[in-house]
Amino acid sequence: DTAVSQTPKYLVTQMGNDKSIKCEQNLGHDTMYWYKQDSKKFLKIMFSYNNKELIINETVPNRFSPKSPDKAHLNLHINSLELGDSAVYFCASSPVGNQPQHFGDGTRLSIL
Amino acid sequence: AQSVTQLGSHVSVSEGALVLLRCNYSSSVPPYLFWYVQYPNQGLQLLLKYTTGATLVKGINGFEAEFKKSETSFHLTKPSAHMSDAAEYFCAVSFSTGGGNKLTFGTGTQLKVEL
Repeated sequence: DTAVSQTPKYLVTQMGNDKSIKCEQNLGHDTMYWYKQDSKKFLKIMFSYNNKELIINETVPNRFSPKSPDKAHLNLHINSLELGDSAVYFCASSPVGNQPQHFGDGTRLSIL
Repeated sequence: AQSVTQLGSHVSVSEGALVLLRCNYSSSVPPYLFWYVQYPNQGLQLLLKYTTGATLVKGINGFEAEFKKSETSFHLTKPSAHMSDAAEYFCAVSFSTGGGNKLTFGTGTQLKVEL
């Protein structure tokens, strides 16, 4: 019974391609997030959705487009992949307010 | 703006020794603070959280942290390290916004436990 699940776990692709990462949570949380962890393990928030509405959009290139079809799902589509996009992308969810976030196991994206 | 600083990117202790991982925060409002642990090739797992109330917070796996407002610190401790504690540890501060919360992480501390 995985609480926050991401697919795929690994993604290896070439520069210039378009790819998507999917995330689903079964915790009944209203808020979902995408984080990027770089090669130095630094974690930074990218986006946050509350009940399908975008509420946090950090300074992320517009090649990255999140989509939330319902409050249990938050997908991340990336256009025209670049070498610098290589990272681990984590999905998370939480209840409303300053509550702990629950993280998925991450998607390791490698750009060749 | 809120931020956290973790002193020491790498900490090495002997099995059975005290673990002390340091975290200092900066916040213009009363902070909500968290410690997360990341094992290799896994996501982040919550160790403990400070919201309001008791300043000594107990978490999972024998870890605890003390919130000290005067020192703007939230250091993580464990009395006796175990080999299974070897992992990356992240301190984070939370800022509530529009229904969710934005976590700002420190740069992480890798804990190594030696025999």
